[in-house]
Amino acid sequence: GAGVSQSPRYKVAKRGQDVALRCDPISGHVSLFWYQQALGQGPEFLTYFQNEAQLDKSGLPSDRFFAERPEGSVSTLKIQRTQQEDSAVYLCASSLEADPYEQYFGPGTRLTVT
Amino acid sequence: AQSVSQHNHHVILSEAASLELGCNYSYGGTVNLFWYVQYPGQHLQLLLKYFSGDPLVKGIKGFEAEFIKSKFSFNLRKPSVQWSDTAEYFCALLHQAGTALIFGKGTTLSVSS
Repeated sequence: GAGVSQSPRYKVAKRGQDVALRCDPISGHVSLFWYQQALGQGPEFLTYFQNEAQLDKSGLPSDRFFAERPEGSVSTLKIQRTQQEDSAVYLCASSLEADPYEQYFGPGTRLTVT
Repeated sequence: AQSVSQHNHHVILSEAASLELGCNYSYGGTVNLFWYVQYPGQHLQLLLKYFSGDPLVKGIKGFEAEFIKSKFSFNLRKPSVQWSDTAEYFCALLHQAGTALIFGKGTTLSVSS
């Protein structure tokens, strides 16, 4: 079956621009996670949804970062007024309600802010 | 705060050599631990996980990991590596709130044929 998909795969933004990154989780997966992976680092948690409810956004680094999942399936991570330190790979993961701890990751979106 | 340390940043082995990648965590409570692998050009995928029970956990592709509570460790092992094991390996700890994963910085494994 289809895995987690993310688009775009690559995004170049000029500093100050807004970007929107999309995640399509595996069909039927209730939980959805966003992670940020800087170069040479492991992924770091940003935010977590259960269906359409954003239950944890403790990892969002600033109020420029905003995530939504209005219908409980597709999610969008939006970054406003991008800065160079936002350059990273943004990973999306999803999991089943029955096994919330096994997260399936997408290929990521590599964001470069120039 | 909970954290995960992977001390080996880059490991280089020849085919058929044995592998052990270190992982230490900091958290005094009940832990749930994972190893993920990322092959070149592919997405992160789960190798194995430990929740409770037998501290020796077997995963896919011949990998295993041993949870040693007294050492706060969860090292990954494979008796004989193959060229196809070349990848980046991440150890992760489930956050005490039970949702997010806390990852180490990763270890790059290069296997020469």
